[in-house]
This record gives sequence, C-alpha cells and structure tokens, in this order.
Amino acid sequence: GAVVSQHPSRVICKSGTSVKIECRSLDFQATTMFWYRQFPKQSLMLMATSNEGSKATYEQGVEKDKFLINHASLTLSTLTVTSAHPEDSSFYICSARDHRGGGNYGYTFGSGTRLTVV
Amino acid sequence: GQSLEQPSEVTAVEGAIVQINCTYQTSGFYGLSWYQQHDGGAPTFLSYNALDGLEETGRFSSFLSRSDSYGYLLLQELQMKDSASYFCAVLPYGGATNKLIFGTGTLLAVQP
Repeated sequence: GAVVSQHPSRVICKSGTSVKIECRSLDFQATTMFWYRQFPKQSLMLMATSNEGSKATYEQGVEKDKFLINHASLTLSTLTVTSAHPEDSSFYICSARDHRGGGNYGYTFGSGTRLTVV
Repeated sequence: GQSLEQPSEVTAVEGAIVQINCTYQTSGFYGLSWYQQHDGGAPTFLSYNALDGLEETGRFSSFLSRSDSYGYLLLQELQMKDSASYFCAVLPYGGATNKLIFGTGTLLAVQP
C-alpha cells in the first residue's frame, strides 16, 4: 500500500529559530499533500494544502508567512515553521492522497513530527 | 462549513462492545471514514461508508445514515490495545483539493 514518510519524528528547537519538516510519498506521486496540526487531546486541524508546482492553500487563521510550505516535486512537500515560539509546540502530521484509490480514497498519513520549542 | 461532533471520552471493559457516535453538520460529502490514533502516532484507517448502512471489517463495523446526519463506529470483543483516540472524518463535496476534515475525536479507554 501507499506509504508516506515524515521526518524528523521529534525535534526540539530554541525560540526564534526555524524548523523544517519533510513529507515524502514513497511509492506514489502526490500532486497534493495536506498538513495538519494536533494539540494534546485535540483533533487534527488542517493547516494547509500543499500543491505541487504552485502556491499552498492555507486554512483560515493560519499564518502563511510563519508556516512556509514548499512542494517542489511530486513526492516531497516541506513545512517550515519560521521564528518558532513555544505556542507552536505541537504534533504536525502530513497526509497525501494516492489516486490509485483504496477504500478511503487513498489517504495516507505520515508518522508525525513532535515539535517542542523551548 | 463542516462540523463533526463526537463524545470526548468513552470507557469500556475488555471483551465488551462499544459504540462511538459521530453527528455532523455538513453541506455534503463523499463518505464517512473512521481512523484510530494511538498516542503520538499517525492516524490509521479503520473503515469507510460511502453509502448508508453497515460496513463490517473484522471486529470493527461502521454505520452511516445520511438522513439522520449520523454515523457510528462499533468495536466488538474489545482488547486493551484498542485503547486509543478514534476520529470520524469526511471528504466534503466541492473544492479543488478534496481535503479530509476530522471530527472532534473520542478517547477510548479499555479497562481489564
């Protein structure tokens, strides 16, 4: 089945620095990838839709200048948290859709990145 | 917009049956999915209903009634490893990107 690899799994950074998270589709091409954020004991909230070769689409309330998304190839999307602050500490999860299908329309999730800003 | 509500927590004992409900307000969607997420892990797909009715996948079954704006996940023969968070999710009609929207989530605690 479709596999999505997300890296790193955990990262601790100092306040004010930037952190890059990678999301790769390993055995399929993904023109669209999705970035979610999840706070403890809460649901997954969609942050943005990453579009290969074009600008990302951000959900209402998500700062596009703070959460930079790049989708330069059909298998890689990156999320960069710029000038991170402690309130950005969260679990970030990417997802990609394998258009070959499946019972769930082919949505597959990465293993997530636990970001802690100190 | 879309809104999917779930009970925040459910507790059950090993071997029992538990039902997790999902009530929604949405303008229309392709189907209702269910995901399991263990603490610190990725969501994993459990079940999907494109049409009304019951779908059975081993110990897990899922039900959808569009007329009642309601669905549920049924877990049978509960095991300790079933302790996790469970989310319903929909793929709404319209838009160019088909983004998956998640429910509020239910934390299931299975006790011995």
